[in-house]
Amino acid sequence: DSGVTQTPKHLITATGQRVTLRCSPRSGDLSVYWYQQSLDQGLQFLIQYYNGEERAKGNILERFSAQQFPDLHSELNLSSLELGDSALYFCASSVGGGGGYEQYFGPGTRLTVT
Amino acid sequence: GDSVTQMEGPVTLSEEAFLTINCTYTATGYPSLFWYVQYPGEGLQLLLKATKADDKGSNKGFEATYRKETTSFHLEKGSVQVSDSAVYFCALSPQNQAGTALIFGKGTTLSVSS
Repeated sequence: DSGVTQTPKHLITATGQRVTLRCSPRSGDLSVYWYQQSLDQGLQFLIQYYNGEERAKGNILERFSAQQFPDLHSELNLSSLELGDSALYFCASSVGGGGGYEQYFGPGTRLTVT
Repeated sequence: GDSVTQMEGPVTLSEEAFLTINCTYTATGYPSLFWYVQYPGEGLQLLLKATKADDKGSNKGFEATYRKETTSFHLEKGSVQVSDSAVYFCALSPQNQAGTALIFGKGTTLSVSS
């Protein structure tokens, strides 16, 4: 158990809908990262927050957004969903905001868009 | 840009065989290097890390040495077990402070039979 929690574990929704994925980091960690894992693209970094502020952005679509709240939990919002958004979405956390820190991953949310 | 290249899988071994999974990277400066393991249906678990040249990371019988001269971080284990069957990801964390996302290889599937 990494100490990172993600809800829900599974999510099935229809095209055009909007969903919210939730992540709670390990106790004491200030950074939260979101990654997408799909068979064709592998593991892709989406976005990082550090202590409530956006720190780095990766291959995140404009239809996707995220935020980190004062209690340090984070939410990833996916809107106007398309079939191609079906994937595993992982949250990870680390104690620092810079390079070199280990990232600890949650169990993931499996999103299926039908 | 920075990248990680792993050997293509799947790798199929018998129990107690020697394991090597090759990983090479392209990055500026001195990135931190990691191996993560993903068991079926689970999130990624940090297996080991190295933060500077000639560092050796080790955990659970697995080892990897940070080789700056060959830009490599090959994973080895002297005697694999059936329980080691999983997908293994090599990753790097860039040196610069701004971009701290992990950059992953495509993963190598290991299957160990008894």
